[in-house]
Amino acid sequence: ETGVTQTPRHLVMGMTNKKSLKCEQHLGHNAMYWYKQSAKKPLELMFVYNFKEQTENNSVPSRFSPECPNSSHLFLHLHTLQPEDSALYLCASSQGTLAGGPRWTDTQYFGPGTRLTVL
Amino acid sequence: GENVEQHPSTLSVQEGDSAVIKCTYSDSASNYFPWYKQELGKGPQLIIDIRSNVGEKKDQRIAVTLNKTAKHFSLHITETQPEDSAVYFCATQSHYKLSFGAGTTVTVRA
Repeated sequence: ETGVTQTPRHLVMGMTNKKSLKCEQHLGHNAMYWYKQSAKKPLELMFVYNFKEQTENNSVPSRFSPECPNSSHLFLHLHTLQPEDSALYLCASSQGTLAGGPRWTDTQYFGPGTRLTVL
Repeated sequence: GENVEQHPSTLSVQEGDSAVIKCTYSDSASNYFPWYKQELGKGPQLIIDIRSNVGEKKDQRIAVTLNKTAKHFSLHITETQPEDSAVYFCATQSHYKLSFGAGTTVTVRA
């Protein structure tokens, strides 16, 4: 595997279900990101992790819970979602630095996304 | 937060013609301007980027120009081919935060 991978690629869940999205990067990066992509809207940054520490929570509802056990893996735990949460969820990674978070010069590389449908 | 406006939202061009996408931004602290291409069923892929100390950059058929004074930057695709059909996103980066435009759906007609 190369680059950034995400599983599952498609997920359908009910509003009372609990599910998790997984992201893995094979680029040796230390910063990882979750984005939400809804139709006709710009990509929205949700969370940022740098060296396993969360550095950004962009006012995301608590029904989305991220987890970063190491610099290569990122999870997004989902529970009691709403139909409006249906979207493409994208993971990205970048080099990152130990001091002060990812650098502004860092290029972000995206995975293929998980298409989530909440019924 | 940063506001990035991207135009047009859709663009149809004849194969071999040029395509131009324009973006404006508001945050003068933005210093890095990547362009991403997203094909159906895939995540955004970086195709070209430009940094604030550069006014223009070219990579084969793709070029990007930046006017920091006016806070706008553009993507130019020359000699378009069917495989150029995709959604293109401009973005600005301030610190580590990427702010995206809403995207341009480009269709190259054979």
